[in-house]
Amino acid sequence: EAQVTQNPRYLITVTGKKLTVTCSQNMNHEYMSWYRQDPGLGLRQIYYSMNVEVTDKGDVPEGYKVSRKEKRNFPLILESPSPNQTSLYFCATARAGEAFFGQGTRLTVV
Amino acid sequence: DAKTTQPPSMDCAEGRAANLPCNHSTISGNEYVYWYRQIHSQGPQYIIHGLKNNETNEMASLIITEDRKSSTLILPHATLRDTAVYYCIVRVGGGTSYGKLTFGQGTILTVHP
Repeated sequence: EAQVTQNPRYLITVTGKKLTVTCSQNMNHEYMSWYRQDPGLGLRQIYYSMNVEVTDKGDVPEGYKVSRKEKRNFPLILESPSPNQTSLYFCATARAGEAFFGQGTRLTVV
Repeated sequence: DAKTTQPPSMDCAEGRAANLPCNHSTISGNEYVYWYRQIHSQGPQYIIHGLKNNETNEMASLIITEDRKSSTLILPHATLRDTAVYYCIVRVGGGTSYGKLTFGQGTILTVHP
């Protein structure tokens, strides 16, 4: 079964404490991306990767890092989280115009 | 990517067809129409896409007007589980392309008993 798996699903953390949200896909897709979703602002792209070792900024990259060392994994790193990064995060892959999204990670930064 | 306009909300009775409109009057010749839906904070789910011909799959039908300036997603027999936010997205490519999806506010479809 085609899957995009994110972990953790829920996370509460404190300001400044580094965290990583993992994303893994089993579809061998080259393209992966991260979105955040906030009330009234919809889904906005943070970063994307077109292949291993190839990453680029989306619309709202500030405060985030990513890496793509292998095709299946695309972790999202918050080096020093702040309360304005409290959001619902989605990882996605895409191929042939169709995108597949993970279940989401609800992050709260206090 | 062309901008889309959708009604903010719609209602539908269970078992009836749900017809969700989308206006994309500035669509370019190489842009496709995609539909996704999001059920209560789950990840968005791909439904269907098309370029200019009408398309049908196991989930829905997509009707694109001849001038391609608008389209309608049809859920032929809506169920309560179809209650979701439906997003119409217009972007370049279909085939082997990839890329960012620009989500608008979508249409909140509520299916009632």
